[in-house]
Amino acid sequence: AQKITQTQPGMFVQEKEAVTLDCTYDTSDQSYGLFWYKQPSSGEMIFLIYQGSYDEQNATEGRYSLNFQKARKSANLVISASQLGDSAMYFCAMRDQPSGGSYIPTFGRGTSLIVHP
Amino acid sequence: DTAVSQTPKYLVTQMGNDKSIKCEQNLGHDTMYWYKQDSKKFLKIMFSYNNKELIINETVPNRFSPKSPDKAHLNLHINSLELGDSAVYFCASSQGQGSGANVLTFGAGSRLTVL
Repeated sequence: AQKITQTQPGMFVQEKEAVTLDCTYDTSDQSYGLFWYKQPSSGEMIFLIYQGSYDEQNATEGRYSLNFQKARKSANLVISASQLGDSAMYFCAMRDQPSGGSYIPTFGRGTSLIVHP
Repeated sequence: DTAVSQTPKYLVTQMGNDKSIKCEQNLGHDTMYWYKQDSKKFLKIMFSYNNKELIINETVPNRFSPKSPDKAHLNLHINSLELGDSAVYFCASSQGQGSGANVLTFGAGSRLTVL
């Protein structure tokens, strides 16, 4: 079973609108970290936002916020006021400790976001 | 000054050849990683080193051999290259390896094309 599931291969949004990118995860650990990264067409991986499993508040970083619903095991990324430069692949990732071994950062398959003018 | 630098950025080679990709980080991080990104953009972890010690070794053909001479460097050597090895290889580093906010900082990627 996939540890990180991103069900939306592609999303479209109008400039200045908000968009939610879905992410669900699977872990039996109590302590884990959730991350979102952006990969523009130029190829680099850019860290956006982090949420710890014990954090009670949803993480926010500028126009990015993470809608963390622990019971549902979801960590959706919300981008407010979309800009043309937000067009990119977005990856959800989790760092947990399978079988009590090393912490492994695992990535979802990504969502391609296109922002229309 | 680039935080995580990989060389070369592009590598085109013939099947059967041996090649290396080098990675260096100047962030003082303890943990380094190699990821492979395939043509469908799937990022799969290959290896991880913590303070020069191998801590993650996913199911990767033994033609791939990582080497960490010190905690700032993690190189990837690939023997007997195959067509399926064509991908973008990302090096990354993080301060620690726990579940905390140990953000991965990625290099720019090395695009390997095997002909």
